[in-house]
Amino acid sequence: GAGVSQTPSNKVTEKGKYVELRCDPISGHTALYWYRQSLGQGPEFLIYFQGTGAADDSGLPNDRFFAVRPEGSVSTLKIQRTERGDSAVYLCASSSLGAGEQETQYFGPGTRLLVL
Amino acid sequence: KQEVTQIPAALSVPEGENLVLNCSFTDSAIYNLQWFRQDPGKGLTSLLLIQSSQREQTSGRLNASLDKSSGRSTLYIAASQPGDSATYLCAVRNPYDYKLSFGAGTTVTVRA
Repeated sequence: GAGVSQTPSNKVTEKGKYVELRCDPISGHTALYWYRQSLGQGPEFLIYFQGTGAADDSGLPNDRFFAVRPEGSVSTLKIQRTERGDSAVYLCASSSLGAGEQETQYFGPGTRLLVL
Repeated sequence: KQEVTQIPAALSVPEGENLVLNCSFTDSAIYNLQWFRQDPGKGLTSLLLIQSSQREQTSGRLNASLDKSSGRSTLYIAASQPGDSATYLCAVRNPYDYKLSFGAGTTVTVRA
């Protein structure tokens, strides 16, 4: 079956522009996560969706970042007024809740964002 | 806040040698711990998941141990191969939320 997919794979934008990053989770997975990975670092949590609602958005760095998941499947991460410090790889993951301690998050290939 | 540290940051070994990768975490009240592999320019692939009640997990040449009381996990890779060259990430999930806390990773190079 298909894994988690993310588009675009690469995005180059100019400082101050608006960008949208898309994530298609594994079919049937109710939980969806966004992480951000800077060069040489591990991924850092941004936001978690359970169904359509954001259950935990404590990792969003500021109000320029926003994410939606209107139908409980595809999610879009939106960044307004991009800054050079936003350059990173944005990773999406999904999981099937109910597996308890065996729950595994499945990651997509990421979107590499470069802000010039 | 859970802090995860991985040592060493990089490791280079000749083919056939066993690999030992270390992960430590500050909050021992974990839900589970996962080891991931990341190839350059790629996403993360889950290798092993150890539940909080378990001491170790094995898959093929990979074995991961967990000592919650000391806040440590070790990933062993036996008889390394050049195809094992990648970055290995350790991630911890706490019982009070769903997010994973990652270490910075250990980048492994296996020389043919």
